[in-house]
Amino acid sequence: SYELTQPPSVSVSPGQTARITCSGDALPKQYAYWYQQKPGQAPVLVIYKDTERPSGIPERFSGSSSGTTITLTISGVQAEDEADYYCQSTDSSGTWVFGGGTKLTVL
Amino acid sequence: QAQLVQSGAEVKKPGASVKVSCKASGYTFTAHYMHWVRQAPGQGLEWMGWINPDTGGTNYAQKFQGRVTMTWDTSISTAYMELSRLRSDDRALYYCARDNWGWDYWGQGTLVTVSS
Repeated sequence: SYELTQPPSVSVSPGQTARITCSGDALPKQYAYWYQQKPGQAPVLVIYKDTERPSGIPERFSGSSSGTTITLTISGVQAEDEADYYCQSTDSSGTWVFGGGTKLTVL
Repeated sequence: QAQLVQSGAEVKKPGASVKVSCKASGYTFTAHYMHWVRQAPGQGLEWMGWINPDTGGTNYAQKFQGRVTMTWDTSISTAYMELSRLRSDDRALYYCARDNWGWDYWGQGTLVTVSS
């Protein structure tokens, strides 16, 4: 079955840049999405179609893609960005999959 | 402003079934697929399947095929997810989410507990 692989954790100091990667064989052919989830809350879409940012999401959130890897970049990390982040994509059969999630810790 | 409101928490015995509802408002219900996702305590997100509220078409994750049924009622803009033959490891928070080039609106989640 299709899998997306993320690092379990990433740590950064406030004001630094956090980069969270996600790898998957089908990523060159399918769009990817990123979600932020804070404790006790439903996930929130922060990046769609690889690089697009929904309205209301701060400009410090950006997405990029290169081959089988996509990257969520948070520039100038703030304490409020501490959360779990999930990448998501689909395959040609309409099956959806999430990465295992990355816990972002703001030191 | 779109909104998805789910039914309340459920406690079920092993082997029973649970049916969770997701009432949509603020947008055209039939214009967007609805996905169901679950999250076990302390774990990640797991996609269960989707339903097309316009045609009734469905696509279930292989793991849940044979146990999950997704239905809808256009007259009340509500999607349903029924999971049968519940096991203890089905204990999770179940979410519905609207597909709009990214899942832009989510329900608040419904906690399903399976306990004898």
